[in-house]
Amino acid sequence: GAGVSQSPRYKVAKRGQDVALRCDPISGHVSLFWYQQALGQGPEFLTYFQNEAQLDKSGLPSDRFFAERPEGSVSTLKIQRTQQEDSAVYLCASSRLAGLTDTQYFGPGTRLTVL
Amino acid sequence: AQTVTQSQPEMSVQEAETVTLSCTYDTSENNYYLFWYKQPPSRQMILVIRQEAYKQQNATENRFSVNFQKAAKSFSLKISDSQLGDTAMYFCAFMKHAAGGADGLTFGKGTHLIIQP
Repeated sequence: GAGVSQSPRYKVAKRGQDVALRCDPISGHVSLFWYQQALGQGPEFLTYFQNEAQLDKSGLPSDRFFAERPEGSVSTLKIQRTQQEDSAVYLCASSRLAGLTDTQYFGPGTRLTVL
Repeated sequence: AQTVTQSQPEMSVQEAETVTLSCTYDTSENNYYLFWYKQPPSRQMILVIRQEAYKQQNATENRFSVNFQKAAKSFSLKISDSQLGDTAMYFCAFMKHAAGGADGLTFGKGTHLIIQP
């Protein structure tokens, strides 16, 4: 079946603009994760959803970052008033199970550049 | 909090050689999982191999195997008969066992592996 997809693949924003990044997880996957990967670094955890519930948002760097998954499938990561330090690749991952540790499958990422 | 350390920023080997990538981690958890992910230039992260901490037997997936030393908190990846397609960034990752739900991965900074023809 189809893997995790993300859109757009590339986004250029001027400092201060708001952006919205979309993630389509694998169909039927209960868990969804967002990660931020700065250039030359490993991904860092941002937030986690189990169905539509956001169970962990401890990794969100500021209150400018907001994520939602209203129907338990597609998720959107929104960044308000973007800053240059927000430039990174944003990765989405999904896993099949809830309540258990399971393999996470990653999307191709959205590369955000803030000018 | 957990930390994952990959001390080799870059490695280069000849095709068909065997290469070992190092990873150490620090945690106070007893139940956890360790992973190696591969990220080719296209940037899609792909799971290579996974190890449950409670299992003493080292995981193996075809040409990929791990040397898991729990007491030493070491989790190295061995790639046998390396191929040009193995060229990628390799990330070691840690996940604690979360009884109430899944948990985010903690990644190392990665090792850039280059397979030379």
